[in-house]
Amino acid sequence: AQKITQTQPGMFVQEKEAVTLDCTYDTSDPSYGLFWYKQPSSGEMIFLIYQGSYDQQNATEGRYSLNFQKARKSANLVISASQLGDSAMYFCAMREGEGTGGFKTIFGAGTRLFVKA
Amino acid sequence: SAVISQKPSRDICQRGTSLTIQCQVDSQVTMMFWYRQQPGQSLTLIATANQGSEATYESGFVIDKFPISRPNLTFSTLTVSNMSPEDSSIYLCSVEHLDRGRRNEQFFGPGTRLTVL
Repeated sequence: AQKITQTQPGMFVQEKEAVTLDCTYDTSDPSYGLFWYKQPSSGEMIFLIYQGSYDQQNATEGRYSLNFQKARKSANLVISASQLGDSAMYFCAMREGEGTGGFKTIFGAGTRLFVKA
Repeated sequence: SAVISQKPSRDICQRGTSLTIQCQVDSQVTMMFWYRQQPGQSLTLIATANQGSEATYESGFVIDKFPISRPNLTFSTLTVSNMSPEDSSIYLCSVEHLDRGRRNEQFFGPGTRLTVL
């Protein structure tokens, strides 16, 4: 069965510094996708970044990068130059059967990030 | 990207009543998903809704309690029936954008905040 683990319930970071949010996963499917979402207090789910299991390079989207270590089954999110607006809940998610569609996405427990001024 | 709207955005309901949540997408999508997020928790998949077929429910969720309709490729409804305070949650509609040339993206609606008294 697929599984997503986020071991950091809360994290603090100083404004303008970088922060890493941890995520490990477990799956027996060789084809899967990994996602990170941001959920501010408003409740909306904002898509941040995606990594496919067959992607050769780590994904990057602006200040977000995904440190994908396939052998260790980890997909950590790195946020560079943190901003006060980055304070939110962050969810790691995984979907098996990538490229075929219709498979469910499961979510980790989430990490609440607090950015300090 | 897909633009998803949900109605209502929030509601306060009495126990024993039912509420129907609507999800509208600005483009045709094959798969639509309904998630529940209980207070302080992660997202849990309720069911997957395919156009023209019965929804597929996850363990712990049944059609009598959460009937789903999917009349076309841009619309779905989720009904929360015979509500109890334990049904107080955010309910999120999600769609999958399957792009074989790039990546599989999954987008979420803004959510419906339900409070049951």
